[in-house]
Order: sequence, then structure tokens, then C-alpha cells
Amino acid sequence: GAVVSQHPSRVICKSGTSVKIECRSLDFQATTMFWYRQFPKKSLMLMATSNEGSKATYEQGVEKDKFLINHASLTLSTLTVTSAHPEDSSFYICSARDPRRAYEQYFGPGTRLTVT
Amino acid sequence: EDQVTQSPEALRLQEGESSSLNCSYTVSGLRGLFWYRQDPGKGPEFLFTLYSAGEEKEKERLKATLTKKESFLHITAPKPEDSATYLCAVLRGGSSNTGKLIFGQGTTLQVKP
Repeated sequence: GAVVSQHPSRVICKSGTSVKIECRSLDFQATTMFWYRQFPKKSLMLMATSNEGSKATYEQGVEKDKFLINHASLTLSTLTVTSAHPEDSSFYICSARDPRRAYEQYFGPGTRLTVT
Repeated sequence: EDQVTQSPEALRLQEGESSSLNCSYTVSGLRGLFWYRQDPGKGPEFLFTLYSAGEEKEKERLKATLTKKESFLHITAPKPEDSATYLCAVLRGGSSNTGKLIFGQGTTLQVKP
């Protein structure tokens, strides 16, 4: 149980285009999902907390107009990187809280974004 | 300010050589401490949750312990497949708890055959 998927696993896009990343909880309903960014050999940096049916809460320094988050259902959250630039290239990972397991968060496999 | 510090940053062991990873934390009211394993190019894999001082949990060659100031991840007789980055994270308690985890920088473990 507690499986989280992400799609796509890898994406290459041109500068100026937008990219959407999906995060799904496969065997549980997640009212709260989280989006992280990870740079090489670094720990996870929380970007935003996504709550089903309400606006996402962004961490300080994260541009909400650039990183659009939508949590339209209890099993799906999406992160859209708008007008992507090379500096947005990174490893993006989502996680979801399983309400059956107290405060535990389960992570997706990650999405490698490369902007050329 | 809430903070999580992991040590060492990197650890190299011979197969079978037991050791411990440390996670020191300062947090306003600990709700839970979590250990994850992360392989290169993949998302973190959940290992353990510890909720109160004195608690211990085991899984195969791994054992996690918790005190009021730190947690240890003990690795007994490691194998090369235990090579990975181990991440520690804490969740703050109280009404301000948004559910977000505070991560340490991780310990990268390499086990040589």
C-alpha cells in the first residue's frame, strides 16, 4: 500500500514552453500532497503544499505564477512549470500523506526536467 | 528555528562492517521523526517513523532509535545493496503543524564488497 506515481519520469522541453507533471496516489486518498525540488547531491527543498479543493501554499521564494499547482481530486495533484527556462531544470518529486498512517508521507519516483 | 543535521555527510563501509548514522534535531514539539532511503535518480523510500523518545524500530539490517535530541540509524552487517543516501526528517507538532517535513542534508552510504 501507499504507492505514489509521477508522470512523466523524464521530460525535455524548449525554453519558453510549459510542462505539466502529474502526481497520483494509487491506493489511497490524499487530501494533502507536497511538491519538492532536488538539486544534484542536495536534499529536498519543499516548494509547496497542495490541498485538495483549495489553493496551494507556497514556500518563501517560490514563484506561484511560475509553478502552478492544482489538486483537483483526492488522488491527483499537478505541477505546471510555466515559461520554463534552463534554470528550472531539476528533479521534481511529489509526496502524499496517507491519512491511514498518521503523518507518514510517501514519495513518487520523481520527474527529471531538462529545459534546453 | 527548526533544524535537522545529519552526520556524517558520507560514509564508506566494507561489507559486514556495522555502523550508525546520526540525525540531530531541534524542533518545537516533535510530532514524528522519519527515515527515508533514496537511490540515485529516484524518490525517497519510506523506512521508519519514530514518535517518542525511547522508541525503536527494525527492518532487516536497519534499526532506528530516538532520543529527545537525536535519532540513530544503525546498520548491522551491511551489504552493497544498502548503498544509498539516507534522509532524516522531522514533523513539528502543535497547531502550526502544516504537515510539512523538515529534512536533513542526508548521509550517503557506500558499502564495498
